[in-house]
Amino acid sequence: GEDVEQSLFLSVREGDSSVINCTYTDSSSTYLYWYKQEPGAGLQLLTYIFSNMDMKQDQRLTVLLNKKDKHLSLRIADTQTGDSAIYFCAETLYNQGGKLIFGQGTELSVKP
Amino acid sequence: DTGVSQDPRHKITKRGQNVTFRCDPISEHNRLYWYRQTLGQGPEFLTYFQNEAQLEKSRLLSDRFSAERPKGSFSTLEIQRTEQGDSAMYLCASSPGGQGNTGELFFGEGSRLTVL
Repeated sequence: GEDVEQSLFLSVREGDSSVINCTYTDSSSTYLYWYKQEPGAGLQLLTYIFSNMDMKQDQRLTVLLNKKDKHLSLRIADTQTGDSAIYFCAETLYNQGGKLIFGQGTELSVKP
Repeated sequence: DTGVSQDPRHKITKRGQNVTFRCDPISEHNRLYWYRQTLGQGPEFLTYFQNEAQLEKSRLLSDRFSAERPKGSFSTLEIQRTEQGDSAMYLCASSPGGQGNTGELFFGEGSRLTVL
């Protein structure tokens, strides 16, 4: 079945690293995504990883994928107050018309 | 701005009334998706179109909900006889579809519905 789960809250201090975790259940996932949602705004794609990769780095963002454990993580280095938002993990399934299945989101709070 | 646009951004209505939301996708995108998001939850898939064809509808989409994309461009989502449980943010997204792309969905800012 399709299910994506995330922890609901994370609080860090400015300058620290943040790690947001996600588990998914469908092994046929082709791409996995991290989206960011700021208050009152739509979802914005942060980064994605193809299922045959185990790591992707993009500036302050590092995505790690463990296919065996169906675990995805997003690490934000040098977290800033502007990174405070809700982060959603999502998967897309092969031959499912490109629809994304989202987790419930992790609210990241960055304290100065 | 050539992003996904949704209208209206906010709608307050009384229970039992009908409402309609409109989505204008990015112009060269042939796939269009509707999602619903309630407070504290991630977006839940409702339905999607490939051009003008509605290819999948979620079980969440009751008979009171209907979506159209008549010319394969903009889409409308109508909710008839609204109920308080319909209160949510309705998100529209589009994507180019086809092989070789990353599957990224481009989201609009959403239409927030409040049913009194």
